[in-house]
Amino acid sequence: EDQVTQSPEALRLQEGESSSLNCSYTVSGLRGLFWYRQDPGKGPEFLFTLYSAGEEKEKERLKATLTKKESFLHITAPKPEDSATYLCAVQGGNSGYALNFGKGTSLLVTP
Amino acid sequence: DVKVTQSSRYLVKRTGEKVFLECVQDMDHENMFWYRQDPGLGLRLIYFSYDVKMKEKGDIPEGYSVSREKKERFSLILESASTNQTSMYLCASSGGGGQPQHFGDGTRLSIL
Repeated sequence: EDQVTQSPEALRLQEGESSSLNCSYTVSGLRGLFWYRQDPGKGPEFLFTLYSAGEEKEKERLKATLTKKESFLHITAPKPEDSATYLCAVQGGNSGYALNFGKGTSLLVTP
Repeated sequence: DVKVTQSSRYLVKRTGEKVFLECVQDMDHENMFWYRQDPGLGLRLIYFSYDVKMKEKGDIPEGYSVSREKKERFSLILESASTNQTSMYLCASSGGGGQPQHFGDGTRLSIL
């Protein structure tokens, strides 16, 4: 059975304090690992797709990396507007095109 | 940009009512999905559809049904609403395998 575990559950950073969020997964036949950002009261907003170990994607202060067992979302010099819940999801195995989501990491960046 | 539109942001209904949640996407995507999101439980898949008139059960289909008569529209139906169906409901659409799902802004449904 596919499993996705995100850590930490919550993270508080000072503005400019870089850190990483972790997503550990087990899935047979990974088709893709997806990162989303979700603001309160809104739907998840797509950030990145990673398809194979060693792949990296970047967007502004965010960089996502992938190994065979986990993915990291690195946040460099975060700003308060980066505060959100970050969700990781995998597609693969017997789930067809459905995504299996982790429970998310709630990030708060203070000035 | 992909746009997924859910018909209501907030909805209040009474127990036993039949409730319809509507979702429309504008990207000609084959795949559409309904999730519910609850604190501490994350996103859970209710139903999904790969094509018009086709549907597949997700992880928690009990108490729900769906309808997809047109490619761009996917409806979630609560046959007889109950208080434990109070939740945030999210609709998504995607292209083929390995493609990201794009979400609407959700419907916060309260069943009284």
